[in-house]
Amino acid sequence: AQSVTQLDSQVPVFEEAPVELRCNYSSSVSVYLFWYVQYPNQGLQLLLKYLSGSTLVKGINGFEAEFNKSQTSFHLRKPSVHISDTAEYFCAVSGVKAAGNKLTFGGGTRVLVKP
Amino acid sequence: EAGVVQSPRYKIIEKKQPVAFWCNPISGHNTLYWYLQNLGQGPELLIRYENEEAVDDSQLPKDRFSAERLKGVDSTLKIQPAELGDSAVYLCASSLGVSGSETQYFGPGTRLLVL
Repeated sequence: AQSVTQLDSQVPVFEEAPVELRCNYSSSVSVYLFWYVQYPNQGLQLLLKYLSGSTLVKGINGFEAEFNKSQTSFHLRKPSVHISDTAEYFCAVSGVKAAGNKLTFGGGTRVLVKP
Repeated sequence: EAGVVQSPRYKIIEKKQPVAFWCNPISGHNTLYWYLQNLGQGPELLIRYENEEAVDDSQLPKDRFSAERLKGVDSTLKIQPAELGDSAVYLCASSLGVSGSETQYFGPGTRLLVL
């Protein structure tokens, strides 16, 4: 079984400032890691995912995340945010050898970008 | 390419009434998921289909919830009777395969309010 903890429920940030969203996971097996974004009244959209290889993963809209196996973390960063980045962000994991594609999500981090 | 389609987008019903949600996945996606998203939380898997077969329904409250995926394409999720605690967003997602590395594509969800 896996679990995901997103350490910040809300992150206010000024436009053009950097932002980091923290995600820690727990799992007894190797995992794949995902970040999804949910804009108001919309479904979830994949930002990026880590499957293997380089621990720094680049995604859409200027986001990147770094996988740290020893700290079981997968923090999401963006060097300069825009108003349009206001949304809720979800970290998720799935087991590498688990039967089926079952995503376990964290509780989400709401990002509010202020002008 | 059309995304995952869900209808209705919003539904208001009185408790004890039945309700049904419909999902049309991305063309060619054999795997379909229904998730429950409570306010301020991450999505939780209710049921996963591989083609017509429900391969993981362990989290589906079977006393009142049912689902079907006829012909391995569209799917319907039903609640009968609805309870106040069922007020939430019901998300449908689909993926091409069943590997844990596969990206799941989400629909916009159906927001249910039970009065």
